[in-house]
Amino acid sequence: QVQLQESGPGLVKPSETLSLTCTVSGYSISSGYYWGWIRQPPGKGLEWIGSIFHTGSTYYNPSLKTVVAISVDTSKNQFSLKLSSVTAADTAVYYCANAVVDNSYYYMDVWGKGTAVTVSS
Amino acid sequence: SYELTQPPSVSVSPGQTASITCSGDKLGDKYACWYQQKPGQSPVLVIYQDIKRPSGIPERFSGSNSGNTATLTISGTQAMDEADYYCQAWDSSIVVFGGGTKLTVL
Repeated sequence: QVQLQESGPGLVKPSETLSLTCTVSGYSISSGYYWGWIRQPPGKGLEWIGSIFHTGSTYYNPSLKTVVAISVDTSKNQFSLKLSSVTAADTAVYYCANAVVDNSYYYMDVWGKGTAVTVSS
Repeated sequence: SYELTQPPSVSVSPGQTASITCSGDKLGDKYACWYQQKPGQSPVLVIYQDIKRPSGIPERFSGSNSGNTATLTISGTQAMDEADYYCQAWDSSIVVFGGGTKLTVL
């Protein structure tokens, strides 16, 4: 049974880089699936950030593409998110999830519990 | 960019059928999925590829997708179904979420 757990600082200063890691258990990242990040600002809806395959192939939300980097470490069975030059607008709960991806569909069937990140000085 | 539109809120009486719509240009030509999110919890996939239910999702949850509208239907709605529901599609290698619908069971 796949399980995902987000980790990282809960507080980041404006203009700095937000770094989060998602640890996968019960499944080898190298075995398949895409692995992605989604965020949810307080009281708002879901926003897709991007996703990565174990080979390093990525998809990114065009609105965040210039400030986002997602990487994978198969030796640790983890994948990571870096979001640079953060502002208060990046305050959100950040979720990691696995994704089943094909040419015509993309859905996320296992999600982590989420981690709250606040951007404030 | 592609957009999905959901009604902000839907109300239903217990035991009745709730329908939540998701509209987008030629959405019927794409696959839609749906997530349920209860307060303080992570989203849960309830429908994928328009009509399929993941293991463990009750049969009262069903989906359809045609034309410009995907619909999540909950038959015999229960109090435990009160939650936010999000539709999602995949367009030009981008994941798009609808704005979410708050389902109230009263």
